[in-house]
Amino acid sequence: DTGVSQNPRHKITKRGQNVTFRCDPISEHNRLYWYRQTLGQGPEFLTYFQNEAQLEKSRLLSDRFSAERPKGSFSTLEIQRTEQGDSAMYLCASKGESPLHFGNGTRLTVT
Amino acid sequence: ILNVEQSPQSLHVQEGDSTNFTCSFPSSNFYALHWYRWETAKSPEALFVMTLNGDEKKKGRISATLNTKEGYSYLYIKGSQPEDSATYLCAFQTGANNLFFGTGTRLTVIP
Repeated sequence: DTGVSQNPRHKITKRGQNVTFRCDPISEHNRLYWYRQTLGQGPEFLTYFQNEAQLEKSRLLSDRFSAERPKGSFSTLEIQRTEQGDSAMYLCASKGESPLHFGNGTRLTVT
Repeated sequence: ILNVEQSPQSLHVQEGDSTNFTCSFPSSNFYALHWYRWETAKSPEALFVMTLNGDEKKKGRISATLNTKEGYSYLYIKGSQPEDSATYLCAFQTGANNLFFGTGTRLTVIP
């Protein structure tokens, strides 16, 4: 069990740029979740995959956000035309039966 | 997005004191209730996953109870130690396998 891996750990970008984050889940887990966490808040649900199918997407996820899991293994989360309000920790988690196994997150800072 | 509430938001206790926190959640579409511990600079780690009304789980000095009819769960820590300092998150799992988190209770144990 190599755990859930997220890259990069930190990303600093200028407003208006596009960014992409990657999550490699635990290999036998078919479910993959993306959450966003800002200071003083718990993780906010963004989207969820079962294998390669994106089953649910939060209203928090504007059209600037897109996530993929093309082969049902790793996933990418892309944010286009970043805004300062996108600055947050982006957490990925995978799940077999239970519970969630989290990665270390990608901290995004938009300047 | 489902409303999951945790209280208190933060808590300071002396080493050796026992403490407890509350998680309240919707009583409909319930599948499971998760508790996670999130230490600074680490990823959240699962403590318990509970599914049945009246469930009680224990791991060392930490235990949790579940009341699905009234929509609440308690987490107890007996004889708090400095290493228990962390944010404790609960998450409500729906039948569709989505998980919604509360804002967490930040515990600080003072030596």
